Amino acid sequence: EAGVAQSPRYKIIEKRQSVAFWCNPISGHATLYWYQQILGQGPKLLIQFQNNGVVDDSQLPKDRFSAERLKGVDSTLKIQPAKLEDSAVYLCASSARQGVSVNTEAFFGQGTRLTVV
Amino acid sequence: RKEVEQDPGPFNVPEGATVAFNCTYSNSASQSFFWYRQDCRKEPKLLMSVYSSGNEDGRFTAQLNRASQYISLLIRDSKLSDSATYLCVVSGLMGANNLFFGTGTRLTVIP
Repeated sequence: EAGVAQSPRYKIIEKRQSVAFWCNPISGHATLYWYQQILGQGPKLLIQFQNNGVVDDSQLPKDRFSAERLKGVDSTLKIQPAKLEDSAVYLCASSARQGVSVNTEAFFGQGTRLTVV
Repeated sequence: RKEVEQDPGPFNVPEGATVAFNCTYSNSASQSFFWYRQDCRKEPKLLMSVYSSGNEDGRFTAQLNRASQYISLLIRDSKLSDSATYLCVVSGLMGANNLFFGTGTRLTVIP
């Protein structure tokens, strides 16, 4: 079974530039998550989609971050404009049903490592 | 206060040692509990779910104490390959069943 695919793997941009990340979840997975992991910290949820609808975006900095999952499959996360503190790994994950439980695992992609200089 | 708190370590233990990690969570409404493992520069991967009655998977034992809002992971007979960061994870907060991660505890097993 193919895993969660993310691209690019690495990205270096200057502050105030824009950047976009792409995620293709495991086929058939209804729920998709974007997490931000700053070095030395655990992943922090940015946004959760159920099919093409947003379930939770309470921690998404909406003044600069946006995300969409138009057809309920793959998703893009955009930062515009980027700040130095946005340097992090952006992880995409998916799960088969709505949310996770002891019976529903979330699978992570390898992440996109963003460096803002 | 963070939803999930754990000692960041690092823990440096010799091969064959037993090591325990602890974690506390702040929201009593949390429903599901997990330990994830994250290798350096890799994505988190599920190590084990944590059941109310406690559960064991080979050398790994997880315990949950809902009254104290406390989760533990015990690793027996540590192997070099156990070196990684162990993330305590809670879901069921805010009704969305997404995952809230602790900072992670870094373990290094020394030959």
